[in-house]
Amino acid sequence: GEDVEQSLFLSVREGDSSVINCTYTDSSSTYLYWYKQEPGAGLQLLTYIFSNMDMKQDQRLTVLLNKKDKHLSLRIADTQTGDSAIYFCAESLFSGGYNKLIFGAGTRLAVHP
Amino acid sequence: KAGVTQTPRYLIKTRGQQVTLSCSPISGHRSVSWYQQTPGQGLQFLFEYFSETQRNKGNFPGRFSGRQFSNSRSEMNVSTLELGDSALYLCASSLTGPRETQYFGPGTRLLVL
Repeated sequence: GEDVEQSLFLSVREGDSSVINCTYTDSSSTYLYWYKQEPGAGLQLLTYIFSNMDMKQDQRLTVLLNKKDKHLSLRIADTQTGDSAIYFCAESLFSGGYNKLIFGAGTRLAVHP
Repeated sequence: KAGVTQTPRYLIKTRGQQVTLSCSPISGHRSVSWYQQTPGQGLQFLFEYFSETQRNKGNFPGRFSGRQFSNSRSEMNVSTLELGDSALYLCASSLTGPRETQYFGPGTRLLVL
């Protein structure tokens, strides 16, 4: 099936780490993505991980993939107020020769002083 | 390199009217995908075009259609608008298909009254 689930809200204190979790159902996913959406804006690609990787680090961002449990997480170190946004997890499904992105509902991250 | 552009950014229409939205992909990108984002349904895949051909289609009624031109620019059309069509319509481009990283435009916000 095609389903990506995320918790809806996360509140953290400025300077702490944020961890946003995501579960997906299709084991044939090739790539998994994290997108950020600020109010009134489109989606900004933050990072992605190929399904044969366990971890990817990119500056303050760390992506962990547990393929056995179909669990993906995004860790933001030293969270800043500018990180307040909605974060979408997405899996890239390849079926019938073509691909499409399946998105989670998004996690709203609120960063408070 | 310029990003994905979408026009117009905002639209107000009334029920029964039709609307055309435009998307210009990143230069060199030949695949364009369209998504609908609503508070209730989240991000949903509409369709994907490559080399002027629709390759993949989501679960939307026939009132939603699209096309792609030889320069990879794409348009989507919604006929006989319904109140439920009010949404943010996002376009994403990639080099050859959604199997690769997709880059999103800022979206067109459509309000149907």
